[in-house]
Amino acid sequence: DAGVIQSPRHEVTEMGQEVTLRCKPISGHDYLFWYRQTMMRGLELLIYFNNNVPIDDSGMPEDRFSAKMPNASFSTLKIQPSEPRDSAVYFCASRRGGRSNYGYTFGSGTRLTVV
Amino acid sequence: GDSVTQMEGPVTLSEEAFLTINCTYTATGYPSLFWYVQYPGEGLQLLLKATKADDKGSNKGFEATYRKETTSFHLEKGSVQVSDSAVYFCALRAGSGNTGKLIFGQGTTLQVKP
Repeated sequence: DAGVIQSPRHEVTEMGQEVTLRCKPISGHDYLFWYRQTMMRGLELLIYFNNNVPIDDSGMPEDRFSAKMPNASFSTLKIQPSEPRDSAVYFCASRRGGRSNYGYTFGSGTRLTVV
Repeated sequence: GDSVTQMEGPVTLSEEAFLTINCTYTATGYPSLFWYVQYPGEGLQLLLKATKADDKGSNKGFEATYRKETTSFHLEKGSVQVSDSAVYFCALRAGSGNTGKLIFGQGTTLQVKP
């Protein structure tokens, strides 16, 4: 298995532009999570899906952020319009459903810089 | 709400020294507990886990024991190597229901010097 695949690895964009981050979870994993990591705030859960349905989006910072999971093998996180304070590393993770002791598998992350 | 607290870093050790990174948690029910490791420029990797009281998780020389009486899950290694330099995250998942959500501590940076 190739693991959780995120693209792009790095993104530099200008303030006000739309940014789309992509994630392909591990096949057969029922849960997908989007996290944001910054030095100041550590790891923050933004949103997670179960069987393609958003379950908890309380971590999404504001309406500029949106996430979709149109099918079991693909998810996007979109920021429109982007702002410099959105600069961070964004991680996608997935895990199997069922037992609570299953660990997550993380992607390598997308490093977003908004200038 | 559920939370995880880790000792602040960075922790700086010489090679072959003994490592302890403290982790305590607050949770309702019986959470599963995890340690993740993040090497520079990479995503988080599961290091070890424990699912019930007195369970010991172990991997790559690292160990942690689930202590319900002290609500702790401290990470230990008897002899660290330079290659262990990374950020270590303690995390929990609530055991009541299958919410799917991992709650992470703030992370502890470990630096091992030769």
